[in-house]
Amino acid sequence: SSELTQDPAVSVALGQTVRITCQGDSLRSYYASWYQQKPGQAPVLVIYGKNNRPSGIPDRFSGSSSGNTASLTITGAQAEDEADYYCNSRDSSGNPNYVFGTGTKVTVL
Amino acid sequence: EVQLVESGGGLIQPGGSLRLSCAASGFTVSSNYMSWVRQAPGKGLEWVSVIYSGGSTYYADSVKGRFTISRDNSKNTLYLQMNSLRAEDTAVYYCARDRLYYYDSSGPHYGMDVWGQGTTVTVSS
Repeated sequence: SSELTQDPAVSVALGQTVRITCQGDSLRSYYASWYQQKPGQAPVLVIYGKNNRPSGIPDRFSGSSSGNTASLTITGAQAEDEADYYCNSRDSSGNPNYVFGTGTKVTVL
Repeated sequence: EVQLVESGGGLIQPGGSLRLSCAASGFTVSSNYMSWVRQAPGKGLEWVSVIYSGGSTYYADSVKGRFTISRDNSKNTLYLQMNSLRAEDTAVYYCARDRLYYYDSSGPHYGMDVWGQGTTVTVSS
């Protein structure tokens, strides 16, 4: 099975921009989806496909991809964006399994 | 309202079995891909299993041969049968709808857009 690696933690000043990255071989073949999880809550989908937001997700969230790296960018971070963020993609080994990234804790200062 | 509600978690001894349920409302389970995802205490998300609308099933290596995903179309409910449970299976278990959003030149694009609140499984003697 493949792995998706994320930085454990990043911080961002209120109103500034933060980029969260996700690296893995499977990202050369598949887009990543991104999930936000706040303490004690279920994850919430924030980005899917090339760069698409589900209904209700603010447009300050955006996604991009290059080579083996996918990125989630929060432009103008708000206090409510403080959470754990996980990327997710298909396994690169040819089977249809999913794999989640290791997760990034975003702190808004 | 589109909703998923899990149940069936609890305290179980190592080697035991447990069946989790995930009742759906507002959409049809059998028309969607449905996944189970778990999260051990203080750890990240781990994908466990998926059942396709056509009935094909797939599992993470960590649970293959011990867990079985299934659904009851008449009850619009997803299940996860967990056998030979180990301490490392202790986690909050979430069910999620894996929605097909669109197709493009690179293939289909999915996202887990609806999640249950989770049910806690503790494997301990």
